[in-house]
Formats: sequence, structure tokens, C-alpha cells
Amino acid sequence: DAGVIQSPRHEVTEMGQEVTLRCKPISGHDYLFWYRQTMMRGLELLIYFNNNVPIDDSGMPEDRFSAKMPNASFSTLKIQPSEPRDSAVYFCASSFSGRRTNIQYFGAGTRLSVL
Amino acid sequence: EDQVTQSPEALRLQEGESSSLNCSYTVSGLRGLFWYRQDPGKGPEFLFTLYSAGEEKEKERLKATLTKKESFLHITAPKPEDSATYLCAVQEETSGSRLTFGEGTQLTVNP
Repeated sequence: DAGVIQSPRHEVTEMGQEVTLRCKPISGHDYLFWYRQTMMRGLELLIYFNNNVPIDDSGMPEDRFSAKMPNASFSTLKIQPSEPRDSAVYFCASSFSGRRTNIQYFGAGTRLSVL
Repeated sequence: EDQVTQSPEALRLQEGESSSLNCSYTVSGLRGLFWYRQDPGKGPEFLFTLYSAGEEKEKERLKATLTKKESFLHITAPKPEDSATYLCAVQEETSGSRLTFGEGTQLTVNP
């Protein structure tokens, strides 16, 4: 398996622009997670889905952030409009519920810079 | 609220010098404790899951242990390739699939 695939790997944009991050989870996994990592706050959970349905979005910072999962093999995280404080590394992870605990497998991340 | 505290923040070792990393946690009921390794520019890589106090798991030079309040990641005779940031995370019984991560310990092993 190719693992969790994220695109793009790097994104540089200007304040006010729309940014869309993409994620393809591991085939057969039924959970998908979006995280943000910064030096100041570490790794924070933004939102997670189970069977394509959002379960917990309490970590989404504000209305500028939205996430969708139209099918089991694709998810997007959108920021509109983007701000410099959104600069961070965004990770997607997926897991399979058929175990005692859900081991989350992470993608390589998207490094976002908002100028 | 779940809390996870890792110490030290950074650790520098000589090759072959064994040591331990600490992860202290506060949860209402632990479903699982996870250790991940993260290399620069990459996503966290899963190492271990521990479920109950007294449990131990080993992989090469790494051994993870768990008590009711903390977990240790013991590194025996480390090599430079063990240099990375080690992250601890907890999953609480009533928090669904949410993981709460600590800030990590940045380990450097010098040759």
C-alpha cells in the first residue's frame, strides 16, 4: 500500500487567497483525521471523519476552515480566506476501526506558508 | 481535559549511551497510549501501542513501558539513525478516536 497520500507537499500563497489541501487515505480505512502542527502548539487535531461523516470538528479554529470527505478515498481541507497565522504543516491520517484501538497512519504533510 | 506532558524537551546522547524518555498523562480512562517517531519533514511514524499498566513492547533498540500515570520509552545503545522527535499520544475511553499528543522529545544521537 502506498500509505496516506497528501498533496501538495508545499503551498505558498498570499493572505486572502483560498487554499485547498488534499488527502487520500489508506484503502480500507474508515477513519480520516486532519491535524495541524506548529512549533508553538504542537500537533493538534482539527477534525475527523468516520465512514465519510464528520464526527468531531471541535478543533477547527474558525469558520474560515472547512473539511469535506465526498467518498472513502478522498478528503479536502479548505481555508478561505487564508491568513499568515494559518502557516503550519497540515497532516492527514487514517485508521481502521477493526482493532482494539485505532492506530493512525500519517501522510507526509503539506507545508503551508501564507505571506 | 486530557493532558500529556513529555520530558525532556530535548536530549542529546552519545552513540551507545542508553537513556529514557518520559510521557506523563492525565485521562479519565485510558484506552491506549501511542508512541510515534517523527523525522524532519515527514509525518509521524507509528512505533507502539500500550493498553494497560505493566505492559511492555520492544522493537530493536526501543522498549516502551506503561504505568497508570506515565510511559517510558527506553533507548538501549542508541545509534545516530535513532535521532528524531518522539511523540507520545493518549486515547481516552470516552473521546472516540481522538488522540491527544504531547509536545515531543527531540533526540539527537552523536556518533
